[in-house]
Amino acid sequence: NAGVTQTPKFQVLKTGQSMTLQCAQDMNHEYMSWYRQDPGMGLRLIHYSVGAGITDQGEVPNGYNVSRSTTEDFPLRLLSAAPSQTSVYFCASSLQGPPEAFFGQGTRLTVV
Amino acid sequence: EDQVTQSPEALRLQEGESSSLNCSYTVSGLRGLFWYRQDPGKGPEFLFTLYSAGEEKEKERLKATLTKKESFLHITAPKPEDSATYLCAVLFSSGSARQLTFGSGTQLTVLP
Repeated sequence: NAGVTQTPKFQVLKTGQSMTLQCAQDMNHEYMSWYRQDPGMGLRLIHYSVGAGITDQGEVPNGYNVSRSTTEDFPLRLLSAAPSQTSVYFCASSLQGPPEAFFGQGTRLTVV
Repeated sequence: EDQVTQSPEALRLQEGESSSLNCSYTVSGLRGLFWYRQDPGKGPEFLFTLYSAGEEKEKERLKATLTKKESFLHITAPKPEDSATYLCAVLFSSGSARQLTFGSGTQLTVLP
């Protein structure tokens, strides 16, 4: 099993650009989530999904969209990148609900 | 507002020098407290789950304990490979029951 796979590992965007961070898991987990991690702050939940076709907002959802068309994939879309979205993004999964047991390796995003 | 506070922010130990990390929370209705380890450039790795005051969990040189207001991660005779950031997270029953709140972590360095 590959676990939770995130792509890309690094990305630089210009302000206003859009992009999609990819996340896939091969463990047949129902629950998937996206977090951002900023220096001096804890991981903050952006969006989560309890199963295919079901998503909900977390603590910091503004500027991000998600969809869950399959159990395996949970992409995160940045609609119009802003410097405040410079962060490290983690995708995570668990069989049913938090706590998330598996995290991806992260995507380091810089918005200039 | 529910809060999770970890202390100290950073801790440097000599190899073999035992110590403890603290995670305190201000909330009622705790549904679980979880410890993770995070290595530089990687996603968090799940360590322990604690559900009720008095509970203890052990893994190698680590032991996690829980009281009504805080948790401790005790590190006995640490080795350099224990160097990492240790995160705690709490699942509350108030508000959204499906979200974790993370502390900002303790960065542990064990010197040989």
